[in-house]
Amino acid sequence: SQTIHQWPATLVQPVGSPLSLECTVEGTSNPNLYWYRQAAGRGLQLLFYSVGIGQISSEVPQNLSASRPQDRQFILSSKKLLLSDSGFYLCAWGDPHKTYEQYFGPGTRLTVT
Amino acid sequence: GNSVTQMEGPVTLSEEAFLTINCTYTATGYPSLFWYVQYPGEGLQLLLKATKADDKGSNKGFEATYRKETTSFHLEKGSVQVSDSAVYFCALNTGNQFYFGTGTSLTVIP
Repeated sequence: SQTIHQWPATLVQPVGSPLSLECTVEGTSNPNLYWYRQAAGRGLQLLFYSVGIGQISSEVPQNLSASRPQDRQFILSSKKLLLSDSGFYLCAWGDPHKTYEQYFGPGTRLTVT
Repeated sequence: GNSVTQMEGPVTLSEEAFLTINCTYTATGYPSLFWYVQYPGEGLQLLLKATKADDKGSNKGFEATYRKETTSFHLEKGSVQVSDSAVYFCALNTGNQFYFGTGTSLTVIP
């Protein structure tokens, strides 16, 4: 069966520091991968999605970036965090042959101080 | 463009009450529709889905019917339990991308 992992689970970082969040998927090949952010009391905002290694689409211009160095690895990064980057970050994967479903990881709670 | 509008929360119900959470959508083409549930501190879990008009998705006592004529996908449950307390998200998919509503927080009190 397929599983999706995210780490770290929680993170507290000062303003201006770098960020690296990692997401990996097991049990499937060539998944579509997604990064979402959920700000406190708000809905999900799609940040990036990827349909293959090195292929990244950005939905919202901001100081975040994403990379997909391996088929089942998706990384969210920032060179300098802002207070507004605080939130709950969710990674998700989808089967490109069954695009009507997405499966979410447990999330990373990021607090920028 | 594509978008999802959910009823605003929070919603507070007594145990065994009837639940309705409204969801309407705007989409080009023929989207698939979903309800996801998020329990406190966790990621989202797929609750139910419908892939074409007039389909009814159901799971764990929850139901939603894909109504193309009213562009709606309202979530219902006949008798809620305390364990149903969570945030519920309506979503649509038109290909590789999902579009989520803002979520509706439900609290069920004993």
